[in-house]
Amino acid sequence: KAGVTQTPRYLIKTRGQQVTLSCSPISGHRSVSWYQQTPGQGLQFLFEYFSETQRNKGNFPGRFSGRQFSNSRSEMNVSTLELGDSALYLCASSLELAGGREQFFGPGTRLTVL
Amino acid sequence: AQSVAQPEDQVNVAEGNPLTVKCTYSVSGNPYLFWYVQYPNRGLQFLLKYITGDNLVKGSYGFEAEFNKSQTSFHLKKPSALVSDSALYFCAVRDLDNYGQNFVFGPGTRLSVLP
Repeated sequence: KAGVTQTPRYLIKTRGQQVTLSCSPISGHRSVSWYQQTPGQGLQFLFEYFSETQRNKGNFPGRFSGRQFSNSRSEMNVSTLELGDSALYLCASSLELAGGREQFFGPGTRLTVL
Repeated sequence: AQSVAQPEDQVNVAEGNPLTVKCTYSVSGNPYLFWYVQYPNRGLQFLLKYITGDNLVKGSYGFEAEFNKSQTSFHLKKPSALVSDSALYFCAVRDLDNYGQNFVFGPGTRLSVLP
């Protein structure tokens, strides 16, 4: 079974631009969560999608948004990029709303904002 | 609010020796507890979880963890460390009784196993 895939793996943008990251969950998984990982803040939860609906949201500004498609693939968008958005963005999938189920993580997209 | 503490930024252990990576948590309800490992330039890999039942949980690669409700701890252990265990380890919690709560991850502990 293929794992969680994320594209692109690396991205360089400049301040003020916007970016879209993509995540394909493990086949059959219906829940997709997004996390931001930085050396200073560690792993921070962005949002969780299930059946095309955002079920949970972390404490991030509205510049961060996401969506999930009917095939469970998910995209995350960051508008008006700031230097502080430079991070590793991780996507994780699980069979159902995560609950007690483990999440399976993709390799991440490393975003650098110049 | 949920929180997870990993009191040690770095743990060094000699190969062949037992290792312990510490985790304490705080939730208002009953916890789901997880351990993940991250190798360089990789996503997180699931090691083990505690939902209910036996306090000693066995997971991947010979790791185990002990749930201690009175001490609100979930320390990760391995009887004999390998150099290949060197990585960043994350403890995570989700509140069983507050389903809308998200996963909260600890800050991570870097494990170095010295040959």
